Amino acid sequence: GAVVSQHPSWVICKSGTSVKIECRSLDFQATTMFWYRQFPKQSLMLMATSNEGSKATYEQGVEKDKFLINHASLTLSTLTVTSAHPEDSSFYICSAESPRVYEQYFGPGTRLTVT
Amino acid sequence: RKEVEQDPGPFNVPEGATVAFNCTYSNSASQSFFWYRQDCRKEPKLLMSVYSSGNEDGRFTAQLNRASQYISLLIRDSKLSDSATYLCVVNGDSARQLTFGSGTQLTVLP
Repeated sequence: GAVVSQHPSWVICKSGTSVKIECRSLDFQATTMFWYRQFPKQSLMLMATSNEGSKATYEQGVEKDKFLINHASLTLSTLTVTSAHPEDSSFYICSAESPRVYEQYFGPGTRLTVT
Repeated sequence: RKEVEQDPGPFNVPEGATVAFNCTYSNSASQSFFWYRQDCRKEPKLLMSVYSSGNEDGRFTAQLNRASQYISLLIRDSKLSDSATYLCVVNGDSARQLTFGSGTQLTVLP
């Protein structure tokens, strides 16, 4: 199957700092990538849809100025959590849409802890 | 009402047992349906797509009832390695966006 990587796999940062998470599709080109967030014992919640070469589409309730998304190439999307707060601590997972319609491949996730 | 609802469990079953999970979805316009499994602290992995006619993949059988907006997953001859959280996933308003249920936790006991 298709491979999607994320970096870093975990990160601890101080309140007020910014953290960048990378999502890469390693063996296919993805014009669309998705960013999700998962709190403990809850489902994955879609945060935004990232489209190569254009602005991301954010879900209701997700602050676009706080969660900056850049999809500069067909294999890389980045999510920057700006001015992180402890409540931003979560498991952030990206997925890349494969050339097969409706099929998404997930990255291994990034566990963010804000102290 | 949640868009995708699942019984959270946990389901604790002995090895070799048959276990069934159910899921209901609220968006009648949904066209794509999936079951994913998620191991603890890992990303979800696609288990199988769900088709209107029902489909089977080894020990796993998925059924879809569009009229009732209901999806099921049956696991036969449970293995220890089946222990995981099973996520019911439906495409949302946008055909390409997925909506996840909160998952049903399964533990297969020796």
